[in-house]
Amino acid sequence: AQRVTQPEKLLSVFKGAPVELKCNYSYSGSPELFWYVQYSRQRLQLLLRHISRESIKGFTADLNKGETSFHLKKPFAQEEDSAMYYCSLGGGSYIPTFGRGTSLIVHP
Amino acid sequence: EAGVAQSPRYKIIEKRQSVAFWCNPISGHATLYWYQQILGQGPKLLIQFQNNGVVDDSQLPKDRFSAERLKGVDSTLKIQPAKLEDSAVYLCASSLGRGWDQPQHFGDGTRLSIL
Repeated sequence: AQRVTQPEKLLSVFKGAPVELKCNYSYSGSPELFWYVQYSRQRLQLLLRHISRESIKGFTADLNKGETSFHLKKPFAQEEDSAMYYCSLGGGSYIPTFGRGTSLIVHP
Repeated sequence: EAGVAQSPRYKIIEKRQSVAFWCNPISGHATLYWYQQILGQGPKLLIQFQNNGVVDDSQLPKDRFSAERLKGVDSTLKIQPAKLEDSAVYLCASSLGRGWDQPQHFGDGTRLSIL
């Protein structure tokens, strides 16, 4: 069965520090991976997807098939990055699967 | 574009009562999803529609949950009878197609509390 693991429930950093939100997945096929973000009082929204290989709001994520990981990174965190982040896996005939989420808090 | 619309935003009922949620996806989106999100967990797929057909409902507790998307546009999710463990946020999402590279667009959700 496919699975998404986000080991950190909470990640607390200071403004300007690097950020890495971890995501590991378990899937036997060719994965499609996404990061979604939910800011306070807003709806869940797409942040980025691995197939696009783009940088959104300074965030990047690289798919590492060897380590089955899709960690989200940003070199310099901003206060407005504080939010809940969810890693999601979809692929082939399997159903979309979300991790439990990581709450990122960026202190001034 | 108008986003995914859901109603109601909040609902409080007693156990064993019934409840229904409504979702209107983004215009032109063929795929519609219903998720259950329990506090502290990620969204869990309940059912996925492609137009008015069911793609996957393997995680839907069919003894009490039902969903329909009769005209391939808006959808309703019903719980009857409700149990305490059904307390959660129910999210609706839509995507342009069924392809797994398609991003999902979410509604605000309905927060359900069972007393």
